[in-house]
Amino acid sequence: GQQLNQSPQSMFIQEGEDVSMNCTSSSIFNTWLWYKQEPGEGPVLLIALYKAGELTSNGRLTAQFGITRKDSFLNISASIPNDVGIYFCAEYSGTYKYIFGTGTRLKVLA
Amino acid sequence: NAGVTQTPKFRILKIGQSMTLQCAQDMNHNYMYWYRQDPGMGLKLIYYSVGAGITDKGEVPNGYNVSRSTTEDFPLRLELAAPSQTSVYFCASSYSTGQVYNEQFFGPGTRLTVL
Repeated sequence: GQQLNQSPQSMFIQEGEDVSMNCTSSSIFNTWLWYKQEPGEGPVLLIALYKAGELTSNGRLTAQFGITRKDSFLNISASIPNDVGIYFCAEYSGTYKYIFGTGTRLKVLA
Repeated sequence: NAGVTQTPKFRILKIGQSMTLQCAQDMNHNYMYWYRQDPGMGLKLIYYSVGAGITDKGEVPNGYNVSRSTTEDFPLRLELAAPSQTSVYFCASSYSTGQVYNEQFFGPGTRLTVL
């Protein structure tokens, strides 16, 4: 079946550092999504990307839809302790079908 | 708006017991979903519903049942709990999907352990 490979699996960084994570797919999709999940909570949408090459920012977060339509990356600039959580990429292929990556666990050391 | 609410937050079941995980949303969304999240994994779709009275299987439906008698509620039933069903369960809702993406809103999850 379709899979999303997300890397890295986990990251420990110092407060103030920039973070980069990416996601690759074995198939082409039309929508890339990035979610954040905090401990004990459900995922919350951060950024949605709709077309190849699209670069979108949300505060300190920037995400890009790869031009091959098989990959996406998420950057977080100047990390803060509240950035701690699990970041998921996901693809939406229409109707009900969402495919989620395995997540990148981010820990920020103050 | 409360958004998507789930009860209970935690539950421990013995093998063979049954239970219902409750999910409700007050956003008048027509689509609702149940996912499970195993440790270190992404979310896997169990069942989904496109409206009251309509449900369909997702990727991992075995061992579960759902019903959708109202727009607001979408309970998930485990009939014979097994250790393999130990997981965190998330309910989500969205306004009409189709080819255009509409944001999914997730509940806080139910952490289920089957011993």
